[in-house]
Amino acid sequence: DQQVKQNSPSLSVQEGRISILNCDYTNSMFDYFLWYKKYPAEGPTFLISISSIKDKNEDGRFTVFLNKSAKHLSLHIVPSQPGDSAVYFCAASEAGTALIFGKGTTLSVSS
Amino acid sequence: DAGITQSPRYKITETGRQVTLMCHQTWSHSYMFWYRQDLGHGLRLIYYSAAADITDKGEVPDGYVVSRSKTENFPLTLESATRSQTSVYFCASSEAGDHNEQFFGPGTRLTVL
Repeated sequence: DQQVKQNSPSLSVQEGRISILNCDYTNSMFDYFLWYKKYPAEGPTFLISISSIKDKNEDGRFTVFLNKSAKHLSLHIVPSQPGDSAVYFCAASEAGTALIFGKGTTLSVSS
Repeated sequence: DAGITQSPRYKITETGRQVTLMCHQTWSHSYMFWYRQDLGHGLRLIYYSAAADITDKGEVPDGYVVSRSKTENFPLTLESATRSQTSVYFCASSEAGDHNEQFFGPGTRLTVL
């Protein structure tokens, strides 16, 4: 049973618009959430994270929102750029355990 | 080279052969991880290690063996490769403690014929 779900395999957005990537989780014990970005033929790279004690974390164009009651988090990219085109993985963990990853969402930003 | 490296980057082997994928990190991170990435499955944890000589199973450990005699190295061995082990394998490392970012290597694309 998947504990971290990214239900949209792909998302297409125009340059300059907002990209919203969604992630749902089932384990209420998760207390830390991360987003990783992956380009083809490269390893995933860390993008942004959020602790369960917060509901928002912002880093430049990237903002992650956490709704604990809905067990849902989202990554907002504003404005989207063609270089943001990549696969985005949502991941979650409990204290002291390994990360659990979602299946990923492929974002395509067209110019 | 600084960071985390994997070798080989590409490998083709035959069913039944033993294959070892290498992972080396220069940060002296305590934790190291092996994941496989498959279409429709995302990243799945195979094994991880909290320190030298300490390893533990992840979600999909069957058919794999790991060792960690030195902090900086974490080889992954497929003792008798099967076609279902065709995948892209990623090694990662992180500092000790809760909720630390994992740094990933560039991956090894393994094809089992």
